[in-house]
This record gives sequence, structure tokens and C-alpha cells, in this order.
Amino acid sequence: GESVGLHLPTLSVQEGDNSIINCAYSNSASDYFIWYKQESGKGPQFIIDIRSNMDKRQGQRVTVLLNKTVKHLSLQIAATQPGDSAVYFCAENMEGSYIPTFGRGTSLIVHP
Amino acid sequence: DAGITQSPRHKVTETGTPVTLRCHQTENHRYMYWYRQDPGHGLRLIHYSYGVKDTDKGEVSDGYSVSRSKTEDFLLTLESATSSQTSVYFCAISESISGGETQYFGPGTRLLVL
Repeated sequence: GESVGLHLPTLSVQEGDNSIINCAYSNSASDYFIWYKQESGKGPQFIIDIRSNMDKRQGQRVTVLLNKTVKHLSLQIAATQPGDSAVYFCAENMEGSYIPTFGRGTSLIVHP
Repeated sequence: DAGITQSPRHKVTETGTPVTLRCHQTENHRYMYWYRQDPGHGLRLIHYSYGVKDTDKGEVSDGYSVSRSKTEDFLLTLESATSSQTSVYFCAISESISGGETQYFGPGTRLLVL
């Protein structure tokens, strides 16, 4: 079947480089944001989240930055590895809502 | 993986036949969801459930129905499958972390309607 990664923006990097994936969100009332990783043939996997009272949150090799002024979210992956190759997409939600809005995603390709 | 399984994982069927996909969770989550994922569209919500026998429509519900008779199972039925319903279907649950509702997804069901 056709890969979900087709028709998406693509970021190609070399192994060991840092990667930055961007997401513009639509609702200024959104106050909770999530990044997902989706490898080919698998379901989306939670990576990291951030609430709107923060502008930065760090995980293991990943950092999420939130700029509420311009409604922009980014995911930084340090020392990118071939295993990081996947589609990455963001989701936004509001307090009290159980229906998030998902972005279409970016395909990250890591070259050894 | 939040204890979510989907069955079948792959299915090929013919136009006009009924198809039922099953989602099973083991952690007693209240909210469950069905999404479809197609190239160029990302994840689109079909239906969701907020409890046993409590369901509501998503943005692409036409041609689909759901049932939830037990907390652990959420069924998606295509009453009469069409080629436009060829897609990858994901089930998800919602869990509150960091004060926000986060969705966790199953492995997906790849459906081909001929």
C-alpha cells in the first residue's frame, strides 16, 4: 500500500546531525500540544508533550519548543540516527477537550 | 502501547460487502476512537466513544457505524464497503498525562476494498 509518508514535506539529514521539524497550529485557544512519531507500517507513537504555560520541554534527545505568539511548535532531535527516520506530526488540544487536531506531518529521512 | 490491539491487521474485501474491525484495550480507558489515515490527509476522526453505548460522529463518519457494548471493545463497521474506504484504520484511547488528554494508538488495520 502507499506509504503515509508520500505527499508530505520531507526533511533529509545526515546521521549525527540535529533535526528540526516544524508545525504551525491553528487554534489560539489550544493549550496542550503533542508530538508523535510514526514509522512505516506502524501506529503513531507518543514522543513528547508540552502545555501552553511552558515554552520549552526536553526529553531524551528531543526538545519541543512552543511559540504561542506565532502559533508555532517545533521538535528538535539531537544527533539524529537512522532509527529516527519516520513521519513526525503534531497535535493540538484544549483543556477539557477529548478531540485533538492533528497536523499532516513531516517525513524525516536520515542518511547513514 | 497502552494495551491496544486491533483485528484483523490486514483485510481484503469486495465492494458491497460488510466489514467489521475490532479494537480491544486492556486498561479500562473511557474514551476510544477510530481514525482513518490516507496519503495527503493525515489522521481523520471517524467515530469516537466516551463510554459503553455512548458514541458520537467524527468528521468522516458517513458509511461507518460503531458499537461499544463493553469498555474494552470498540467495533467499527462498514455496512457496505466501497473503494473509497480503502485506507489504514487506527484505533486510539485517550489518557490524561501532564494535565492534557493524550491519545495512544493501536497498530492499525490495513483495509483494501476491491
